[in-house]
Amino acid sequence: AQSVAQPEDQVNVAEGNPLTVKCTYSVSGNPYLFWYVQYPNRGLQFLLKYITGDNLVKGSYGFEAEFNKSQTSFHLKKPSALVSDSALYFCAVRYSSASKIIFGSGTRLSIRP
Amino acid sequence: SQTIHQWPATLVQPVGSPLSLECTVEGTSNPNLYWYRQAAGRGLQLLFYSVGIGQISSEVPQNLSASRPQDRQFILSSKKLLLSDSGFYLCAWIPLNTEAFFGQGTRLTVV
Repeated sequence: AQSVAQPEDQVNVAEGNPLTVKCTYSVSGNPYLFWYVQYPNRGLQFLLKYITGDNLVKGSYGFEAEFNKSQTSFHLKKPSALVSDSALYFCAVRYSSASKIIFGSGTRLSIRP
Repeated sequence: SQTIHQWPATLVQPVGSPLSLECTVEGTSNPNLYWYRQAAGRGLQLLFYSVGIGQISSEVPQNLSASRPQDRQFILSSKKLLLSDSGFYLCAWIPLNTEAFFGQGTRLTVV
C-alpha cells in the first residue's frame, strides 16, 4: 500500500544545532515528495518538494531535504535551528501527477533556547 | 494568483446541531478539492475529495457529508453534530503536478 511514515512523534533540538526530521515512503513508481509546516491553529504551509532532478532540495526558511531512493527516505534538515522553527512538520507523498497526496502522522519539532 | 478561502475560523456548536463549513478557491477553474480533519494537533485524515461539480468521493464513513455546488466551492456539512466531530478541519486544493494549497482551517468544538 502507498504510505509515508514519520517515525518520530517529537524531536527536541537546542537552538543553533542542526536538526533532522525523518520521513520514509513506500516504494511505488516515482514519488513526488513534500514537506509542510503547521503552526498552532493554522493551515499547512508548503516548505519544499522533490519531483525530479537534484536529490538535494532547498526550501523556505533555510530548510532542505534529501531524496534517497535506495533508502526510500526524504529527511528534512536545517544546519542551525531557530526557536521559531518549533512547529508541527508533515511529510507527504504523491505517486503520480494526478493522485491524492498522502500525509504522514506529523513530527512535533521543539527548539529550546 | 490562486488563493483558497475557508470559513469560519472557529465555531462552537451544540451536540445535535447542523454544520456547514465552506471552502472557495480563486484564480483557477475545475480545481481538485479536499476536506481533511486533524484531531489533537496530529495527523490529517482525508474525509472527502472532489474533482468537479457534483462529484464527491468519501474516504471514511462519517457523520459528515460534502457537496460541490459550484466549480470553486466545496462545502462540508452535518445534519446532527456529535462530540467526536470536534477537531480542526482543513480544506485543500491539490493541482496536478505540484503541491497542495491549504486554507487556514476551522476549529470546530462540539459542546
